[in-house]
Amino acid sequence: AQSVTQLDSQVPVFEEAPVELRCNYSSSVSVYLFWYVQYPNQGLQLLLKYLSGSTLVKGINGFEAEFNKSQTSFHLRKPSVHISDTAEYFCAVSASGGSYIPTFGRGTSLIVHP
Amino acid sequence: DTAVSQTPKYLVTQMGNDKSIKCEQNLGHDTMYWYKQDSKKFLKIMFSYNNKELIINETVPNRFSPKSPDKAHLNLHINSLELGDSAVYFCASSSSRGTQYFGPGTRLLVL
Repeated sequence: AQSVTQLDSQVPVFEEAPVELRCNYSSSVSVYLFWYVQYPNQGLQLLLKYLSGSTLVKGINGFEAEFNKSQTSFHLRKPSVHISDTAEYFCAVSASGGSYIPTFGRGTSLIVHP
Repeated sequence: DTAVSQTPKYLVTQMGNDKSIKCEQNLGHDTMYWYKQDSKKFLKIMFSYNNKELIINETVPNRFSPKSPDKAHLNLHINSLELGDSAVYFCASSSSRGTQYFGPGTRLLVL
């Protein structure tokens, strides 16, 4: 079984500042890792994913994440945020073999202030 | 040409009623899911179907019954609705390697 911990429930930041949203996971097997974004009153959409290969993954809207196997982390970063990035961000993990059923973290609310 | 669609978008009903939520995906995926998101945004998987067969049934009251007439559709029927069922319900489908494609959600309010 896998588990995901998103260390911050809320991250306030000023517009154009950099941001990091933290995600740690636990698993006894190899994993796939995902970040999803949920804008207000919408469903979740994929930001980026790590399946294999390069540990630095680039996604949509200028976001990137780095897979760190030794620290079991997959932190999400953006060098300069916009007001429109205000949303809920979810980290998810699934086993790389088998059913691929994901386990989601509890979410981090990113609040971008002008 | 919405990838994953759900109806209705909003559902307001009285306690004790029975209601259904429909979901359709046109992505050709074999696996579909129902999730419940509570007021604190916590996302919990309820059911998963693969090619019309139930593969996951998390600890969910048996008042909730999923039905998959074909692999493009996964409906959720809820009997005897309770106040605690108020939440946003998301349908999703997945490709290989588990990337989830979510519907827009159904906001259920039980009065």
